[in-house]
Amino acid sequence: QQQVKQSPQSLIVQKGGISIINCAYENTAFDYFPWYQQFPGKGPALLIAIRPDVSEKKEGRFTISFNKSAKQFSLHIMDSQPGDSATYFCAASTPGTASKLTFGTGTRLQVTL
Amino acid sequence: DTGVSQDPRHKITKRGQNVTFRCDPISEHNRLYWYRQTLGQGPEFLTYFQNEAQLEKSRLLSDRFSAERPKGSFSTLEIQRTEQGDSAMYLCASTPWGNPDTQYFGPGTRLTVL
Repeated sequence: QQQVKQSPQSLIVQKGGISIINCAYENTAFDYFPWYQQFPGKGPALLIAIRPDVSEKKEGRFTISFNKSAKQFSLHIMDSQPGDSATYFCAASTPGTASKLTFGTGTRLQVTL
Repeated sequence: DTGVSQDPRHKITKRGQNVTFRCDPISEHNRLYWYRQTLGQGPEFLTYFQNEAQLEKSRLLSDRFSAERPKGSFSTLEIQRTEQGDSAMYLCASTPWGNPDTQYFGPGTRLTVL
């Protein structure tokens, strides 16, 4: 059972454009929603995270939008750069479960010149 | 750099052989996690330790898999009688005391079973 669904599978954006990746979850007990960035041959690196008590969180060019009623959250990358080309994973965890993460299937982002 | 380290980075083995991977977490991180990532998928939770105690194991962790964290420092993940389906990237992550949600991942060990 896939508890976190991520789309699109791949995304091509021009330099300077906005990249948008969406995730939907099923388990209403999830209370922590991070986004990870992964480059080829590397482990995932935490990019930004949000809890359901806020609807938006911004850090630099990265913004998470969170819609609790729709059980959806999304990552927006403003002014996308070629260096942002990577695979992005959304994830979620529940309290009392040792913070183990349930990941989406990933979005491969390519930012073109 | 004192991030999470994993060894080896790559391992090729023949079906039926045993393999062991090592993870060194960030110093003083009390929690350590193992995940498995197959091509085109997100990481999947396998098991986690709080200090030296293994507190949870996923159903993905068959009896051919065993993990240890002696003395609450480094951890090892052993796979016995490897199968082709075990081919994957094995990721280790650690979290600091007081901030258990922030998981820092290592570079992973890529296992190929021939």
